[in-house]
Amino acid sequence: DIVMTQSPFSLAVSEGEMVTINCKSSQSLLSSGNQKNYLAWYQQKPGQSPKLLIYYASTRQSGVPDRFIGSGSGTDFTLTISDVQAEDLADYYCLQHYSYLTFGSGTKLEIK
Amino acid sequence: EVQLVESGGGLVQPGRSLKLSCAASGFTFSNYYMAWVRQAPKKGLEWVATISTSGSRTYYPDSVKGRFTISRDNAKSSLYLQMNSLKSEDTATYYCARHGGEQPPYYFDYWGQGVMVTVSS
Repeated sequence: DIVMTQSPFSLAVSEGEMVTINCKSSQSLLSSGNQKNYLAWYQQKPGQSPKLLIYYASTRQSGVPDRFIGSGSGTDFTLTISDVQAEDLADYYCLQHYSYLTFGSGTKLEIK
Repeated sequence: EVQLVESGGGLVQPGRSLKLSCAASGFTFSNYYMAWVRQAPKKGLEWVATISTSGSRTYYPDSVKGRFTISRDNAKSSLYLQMNSLKSEDTATYYCARHGGEQPPYYFDYWGQGVMVTVSS
């Protein structure tokens, strides 16, 4: 089974700052067939269901602000949120879908 | 607009059964793999089950394999989760989710609002 290690557990930033959230997989998520990384990022605001932000590691879902940037390949991935807004208060999860489906443990983003 | 609406949750005793339903609309249901994902109170997300477009293939993690059964009715645009031999650790909000992507294996692109299942005596 693929294990996803997500960090940090939580972080608090002021509006306008930048944050990075990391996910490391126990094995490569890069498909040799199509050169895509099977890694997605989700945002879950308080009391709501998760929302897809990024898929294939770096492709932004339609309607997602361009301050959300996904990067990385193989086993190491990063979600960067630049110019953090108050509305970005949420839990963030990574998901590997290379072999079955496994979520990271989540990162709680708080706004100072 | 894609809509996924779950129903069937509630309080159930350990060892008993419960069946969840998900009504889908806003897309051609029969063209998509579908799934259930759960979230225990104040905890993270856990994939529970996936079903192929025709229903001929199903996938489960070890934590529910043999106890849960995912099924679908494409004529009714509906997804189901039959949960047997329920345990306290199955207490969670259960989300219906659509699989998206160019080819399998797929990520989740749309989620329902969730339904709460509480397993307790």
